[in-house]
This record gives sequence, structure tokens and C-alpha cells, in this order.
Amino acid sequence: SQQGEEDPQALSIQEGENATMNCSYKTSINNLQWYRQNSGRGLVHLILIRSNEREKHSGRLRVTLDTSKKSSSLLITASRAADTASYFCATGSGGSYIPTFGRGTSLIVHP
Amino acid sequence: SQTIHQWPATLVQPVGSPLSLECTVEGTSNPNLYWYRQAAGRGLQLLFYSVGIGQISSEVPQNLSASRPQDRQFILSSKKLLLSDSGFYLCAWSTGASTNEKLFFGSGTQLSVL
Repeated sequence: SQQGEEDPQALSIQEGENATMNCSYKTSINNLQWYRQNSGRGLVHLILIRSNEREKHSGRLRVTLDTSKKSSSLLITASRAADTASYFCATGSGGSYIPTFGRGTSLIVHP
Repeated sequence: SQTIHQWPATLVQPVGSPLSLECTVEGTSNPNLYWYRQAAGRGLQLLFYSVGIGQISSEVPQNLSASRPQDRQFILSSKKLLLSDSGFYLCAWSTGASTNEKLFFGSGTQLSVL
């Protein structure tokens, strides 16, 4: 079953603009991860934020986590055409080894 | 460094034919291994995962099976493919050190069943 759900499903922006994607989930989590998938390729891990963290940065990426609202956001600043991809959140909970993935947000950055 | 190899990259098979997709991991020992399927424009559906040799857990009942004959080898099989088996298949691994850690994905196999 899918726990995380990304919003919006699709996002189209111009190069240089910021892109914000959101992820909502239903049950308590140990951590939340964001992945990127270029068309026809495997997923690449971007960032992991644990349930006791509120914000994390990695280069142009900023992830926030609000456990009271059961939501997370991924911000990509100063977007580039190369950021065009699908972005997935994945939640980990309980003693499971396995993150549960959402359906993803398709991001298109126009040059 | 660790690497994951998945092949073939694309595969076109007739309905009723057998299937064998292979995945190998290098540079790590006793990884957790996973097979996911992704339908066009959809999220990832976990098919199988394994925490050790010969240990396979199935998440979705179907005509697919998985095997782990060696520590770093994971195979997805079918005796008779269905049209509904078409999709993008992804192999992944994670360390067995703790739960919910990040996954490392292969480059995927695009399977078309005709």
C-alpha cells in the first residue's frame, strides 16, 4: 500500500524559479526520504530526514518535515533544466525494512 | 564502492513465455534486496524483498517469483508471462544494518509483453 502521496502530480516551471513539492502520509514514521527518477531510469536517493528532524539541506535542496501535520516538502531552489525528473517521497515506519513510495511529482523545468 | 547491475535494459516477450531478470550487487555483503514494478506514470509497487540467501518475502500475489541463490544475486522469474506483467522493473538494495535506510536502485528493465 502507498503511504506517502505527493502533491502536485505535475509541476511546470521556468529555469531559475524555485520548485516546491509536498508529501503527505497517514501513519507515524521513523524517517522520510526523497528520491529522483529521470525518465526511463532507476531512482536516485536525494535526502533522508528522520522523525526528530525538522529541516535538512543538501546543495539546492531543502526538505522540511512536520510530523504534527504528517507532511514534508521538498524545495529545489534556482531550478535548472537538468532538474526535470519525477520526484518521489518514501516513508519508513515501524520495524519494516521497506520504505513505502508515493506516486511521485513530475517536474518539468523549461530552459 | 557499491554498484548494482540489472539486465537486460529492455525486453519484449510474447504472452505465455518465461521471464528471467537478474540483478547483482557488488561491493557490499548481506544486502537487503528488492524487486519493484512501476506501471507507466505510477508509483513503485514492491513485489519481493529478501534479507538473506534463500529468504524471499512476497508482497503481491501474482505469477511472478523471486530467488536469491547467492548473497548478492536476486532473480525475478515467471513461467508464463501475462499482458499485465508489462512494466518497468527495478531492483534495489539497502544495507541490513538498520531499518528504513535508503535504497540504491538499478537502472531498470522495461518489459513489454505482447
